[in-house]
Amino acid sequence: AQKITQTQPGMFVQEKEAVTLDCTYDTSDPSYGLFWYKQPSSGEMIFLIYQGSYDQQNATEGRYSLNFQKARKSANLVISASQLGDSAMYFCAMRESSGLIFGKGTTLSVSS
Amino acid sequence: DAGVIQSPRHEVTEMGQEVTLRCKPISGHNSLFWYRQTMMRGLELLIYFNNNVPIDDSGMPEDRFSAKMPNASFSTLKIQPSEPRDSAVYFCASSPQGARVSQPQHFGDGTRLSIL
Repeated sequence: AQKITQTQPGMFVQEKEAVTLDCTYDTSDPSYGLFWYKQPSSGEMIFLIYQGSYDQQNATEGRYSLNFQKARKSANLVISASQLGDSAMYFCAMRESSGLIFGKGTTLSVSS
Repeated sequence: DAGVIQSPRHEVTEMGQEVTLRCKPISGHNSLFWYRQTMMRGLELLIYFNNNVPIDDSGMPEDRFSAKMPNASFSTLKIQPSEPRDSAVYFCASSPQGARVSQPQHFGDGTRLSIL
């Protein structure tokens, strides 16, 4: 069963605007971690932000924040003040006891 | 600090040949992961080592695939014999205290493998 769902294949945003990338997950384990990674066209995987299942506050890292709604099992990534360099594929991932389980990804395109 | 180092960056070989992918994790990281990325299946975990011991190899496709971690600073993923459907980008990742779900995994640049 798919455990990470990213329903937006592609998103388009203007520079300096904020954008939200959606992620829902499914797990019965009370302890898990949620991660977002960025994959530019050059192919590397860049860690952006982490949210733990027991964290009371939403995670923030610079222009990245995570809108964590545990009851809805959602962990949406918010990018504020988009930049051209934010154009990339973004993956939501979850970790229970083994490796990461990834969603299919969302392609973000930022235009000037 | 050096990140996760993978070699080769690109590999093109003919069907039936043996392929060996190499990974050097970040020094001090005790967990190592191999992932495969394809258009059809996305990113999927192949195998997870903790303290050089394989913990979860349920993602290894079949007996043609094998992975080893002889010491804390080196791992290999071997495909023998290779098939065209093995063509993919193979990523190695490492994390400190890797058994803890809170630790982010740091990825290498990947090996782009093409089997003709």
